[in-house]
Amino acid sequence: GAVVSQHPSRVICKSGTSVKIECRSLDFQATTMFWYRQFPKQSLMLMATSNEGSKATYEQGVEKDKFLINHASLTLSTLTVTSAHPEDSSFYICSARDYGGAADTQYFGPGTRLTVL
Amino acid sequence: KNEVEQSPQNLTAQEGEFITINCSYSVGISALHWLQQHPGGGIVSLFMLSSGKKKHGRLIATINIQEKHSSLHITASHPRDSAVYICAVHRGGSQGNLIFGKGTKLSVKP
Repeated sequence: GAVVSQHPSRVICKSGTSVKIECRSLDFQATTMFWYRQFPKQSLMLMATSNEGSKATYEQGVEKDKFLINHASLTLSTLTVTSAHPEDSSFYICSARDYGGAADTQYFGPGTRLTVL
Repeated sequence: KNEVEQSPQNLTAQEGEFITINCSYSVGISALHWLQQHPGGGIVSLFMLSSGKKKHGRLIATINIQEKHSSLHITASHPRDSAVYICAVHRGGSQGNLIFGKGTKLSVKP
C-alpha cells in the first residue's frame, strides 16, 4: 500500500527554537496533506490542510504564524513550529491524500514526537 | 455531543476472545476509517469503508450507513492486538479532512 514518511520521528529542542517536520508521500503524488496534533490521551486534532502550491488552510485556534506549513511539491509538506514552547510538546502526525486514488483515500505518517524543554 | 462516538472507551479481553468495538456518528459521511495506534504513537490505517463489510485477516469491519454505525471485530484476539483503535469519518468534498473518535483502548491479556 501507499507509504507516508515523517522525519524526524523524535525531536527534543530548547524553548524558543524552531523545529521543522517533514512529511513525504513515497510512492504517490499528494496534492493535499493534512497535519494533526495529538496531546496525551486525546484524539487527533486537525491543525491545517496543506495544498500543493497554495497557502495552507488552518483550523480555528491554530496560529498560522507559529505553525508554518509549506507544500512545495506533490510529495513533500513541511511543518515548522516556530519559537517552540513547552506547551507545543505533542505528537504531530501528517496524512496524505492519494492524488490518483479515490477522494477519500488517506495514508498516515508514523508521527513525530516533539518535546520542548 | 461529539460527532463521532466510540464504545467502549476501554476494553480488556483474554487472549482468544472475540472483540467488538463500536462507532456511531451523527454527520453525513462519504467514508469511515478504522485506525490502529500502538503505544509508540504510529498510526496504521486498518480499513476504509463506505458500505458493507471488509475483512483482513482476523479483523472485520462493517458499516451501516442508514443507522450511521460501524463496528470493528477482532477474532481470536492476541496480546499484540493491544492498541488504541480509532474510528474516523470522512465528510467528503475536495478537502477531505477527517473527524476522529476518541479511541478505544484495547488490552488483550495472555
